[in-house]
Amino acid sequence: EAGVAQSPRYKIIEKRQSVAFWCNPISGHATLYWYQQILGQGPKLLIQFQNNGVVDDSQLPKDRFSAERLKGVDSTLKIQPAKLEDSAVYLCASSLDPSSLNEQFFGPGTRLTVL
Amino acid sequence: AQSVSQHNHHVILSEAASLELGCNYSYGGTVNLFWYVQYPGQHLQLLLKYFSGDPLVKGIKGFEAEFIKSKFSFNLRKPSVQWSDTAEYFCAVNAGSSASKIIFGSGTRLSIRP
Repeated sequence: EAGVAQSPRYKIIEKRQSVAFWCNPISGHATLYWYQQILGQGPKLLIQFQNNGVVDDSQLPKDRFSAERLKGVDSTLKIQPAKLEDSAVYLCASSLDPSSLNEQFFGPGTRLTVL
Repeated sequence: AQSVSQHNHHVILSEAASLELGCNYSYGGTVNLFWYVQYPGQHLQLLLKYFSGDPLVKGIKGFEAEFIKSKFSFNLRKPSVQWSDTAEYFCAVNAGSSASKIIFGSGTRLSIRP
């Protein structure tokens, strides 16, 4: 079974530039999550999708971050414009459904450095 | 609001030593508890989870964790560590509602001396 795919693996940009990350979840997984993991901290949920609808985006900085999952499969997360404090690893995860009984499977992450 | 505390940021042990990593959470109601592990260069993966029933949960690779409700704790244990256990370990919690988000602790880096 293929895992959660993410690209790119690394990205370096200057502040005020834009960046986009892509995630392809495990086939058949209806729920998709984007997390931000700052160095020395645990992952923090940014947004959760159920199919192509948003379940929770309460911690997404909506003035600069946006995410979509138009066809209910793969997803993109965008930052525009980036700030220095956005330097982090962005993790994508998927699960069969939103129930906490279902394990979340994580991708390798995209390491973003903002200069 | 829910929160998770992992008090040990970096633990260094020799092979065959016993391991206990602390995890405390703050939430008064029913909780689901998790330990995730990230081996060097690998993805974050589930080590074990507790939803209900026996408070002593066994996971992969000989790990276990005990849920002590009165102490709001879910400590991870292994009787004899191996060099291959070198990794970062994250405790996580969510409230009883099935759709609520998982809150992660800040992680504990475990280094095993061969």
